Amino acid sequence: NAGVTQTPKFRVLKTGQSMTLLCAQDMNHEYMYWYRQDPGMGLRLIHYSVGEGTTAKGEVPDGYNVSRLKKQNFLLGLESAAPSQTSVYFCASREQGSGPQHFGDGTRLSIL
Amino acid sequence: GENVEQHPSTLSVQEGDSAVIKCTYSDSASNYFPWYKQELGKRPQLIIDIRSNVGEKKDQRIAVTLNKTAKHFSLHITETQPEDSAVYFCAASMESGGGADGLTFGKGTHLIIQP
Repeated sequence: NAGVTQTPKFRVLKTGQSMTLLCAQDMNHEYMYWYRQDPGMGLRLIHYSVGEGTTAKGEVPDGYNVSRLKKQNFLLGLESAAPSQTSVYFCASREQGSGPQHFGDGTRLSIL
Repeated sequence: GENVEQHPSTLSVQEGDSAVIKCTYSDSASNYFPWYKQELGKRPQLIIDIRSNVGEKKDQRIAVTLNKTAKHFSLHITETQPEDSAVYFCAASMESGGGADGLTFGKGTHLIIQP
């Protein structure tokens, strides 16, 4: 039981490049989330999903897109990366109703 | 939206002493308050949580208290040990009614345990 798995773990991009971060969970959780963590800022919600085929905006959604085509996967896309998107990205999932969020190990992304 | 304030940003205590971290929240509809511990380069890990129908919860050396009227909650760690050194985050969300909004986090407290 791997829990929440994020790929890749590290990536360096040039400004303007695009990429997709993958989050996979094997706990059959309905809800999935993408956060970014910047120094001194805590974690901030980018987008979330309450089930397959649904997505919603969080606190800081600009510059990101997401998709939830399969229940176990939640993809975060950067269409045109900017240096302000340099951050550590965490994915989380939880059961429908109540229950704690389970986090992945994070993706450290640097935009040059 | 919800706003969570966390204090202090850094806390240094002697090994064996107690540590207290405090958070306030703004949205009275929030009803779920977890605390996460994050070691350097690692994922946040849940250490304790409390729901709004409970005033206090304890798990060995860790306890959380909630004052709904004042909209604040606190983490208490007793008999601190070197392995307690980490960054601690409080968070709040509205979990009831099928709400799936993500957590709103405080900015974190760097807890340093002095030997």
